[in-house]
Amino acid sequence: QKEVEQNSGPLSVPEGAIASLNCTYSDRGSQSFFWYRQYSGKSPELIMFIYSNGDKEDGRFTAQLNKASQYVSLLIRDSQPSDSATYLCAVNIRNAGNMLTFGGGTRLMVKP
Amino acid sequence: ETGVTQTPRHLVMGMTNKKSLKCEQHLGHNAMYWYKQSAKKPLELMFVYNFKEQTENNSVPSRFSPECPNSSHLFLHLHTLQPEDSALYLCASSQDWRGAFFGQGTRLTVV
Repeated sequence: QKEVEQNSGPLSVPEGAIASLNCTYSDRGSQSFFWYRQYSGKSPELIMFIYSNGDKEDGRFTAQLNKASQYVSLLIRDSQPSDSATYLCAVNIRNAGNMLTFGGGTRLMVKP
Repeated sequence: ETGVTQTPRHLVMGMTNKKSLKCEQHLGHNAMYWYKQSAKKPLELMFVYNFKEQTENNSVPSRFSPECPNSSHLFLHLHTLQPEDSALYLCASSQDWRGAFFGQGTRLTVV
């Protein structure tokens, strides 16, 4: 079982819709969770982190964490074509210091 | 301008060449990382340095040799690479649990 799993997509949503990106992880002791956005040919950019169960909102982005289900998600409200990118989920595995383990990423396409 | 700078941005090298990738961070972080990103694969952690001491070597072949002279600089020395080593090499830095920040990456092609 992969440590961090994401559906590779592509996930296609119309402009203005809510995009929902999901990630599951295998280590129940994982402590902090991150979402990165990566445009084609560019490096990953940190957009949000969450470490407590529940929701965390930042502008159009909401991260949701459910440690019991080992599930973390990212919601993007009012999706824009500029949100089209690959979204990487990363997890700070227990006893790994600050090292992150990444999922394979979900490609999001927002269609005008 | 990004807080983590990598040079060169693109590199083409033959299998018998020796080259080095450079990374510099201006964020005052105490940890630096090398990641490899190949097509259709997750980011792979290669090396970790905390306070310029190597704390992780993720079973990386010896043809990749890291060097961390201080907390702000990180190098990846390359020699006798294989075509399958062609990838995007990313440097990152972090300070605590709030995540890592990446440089722009070096696109490496081995011919």
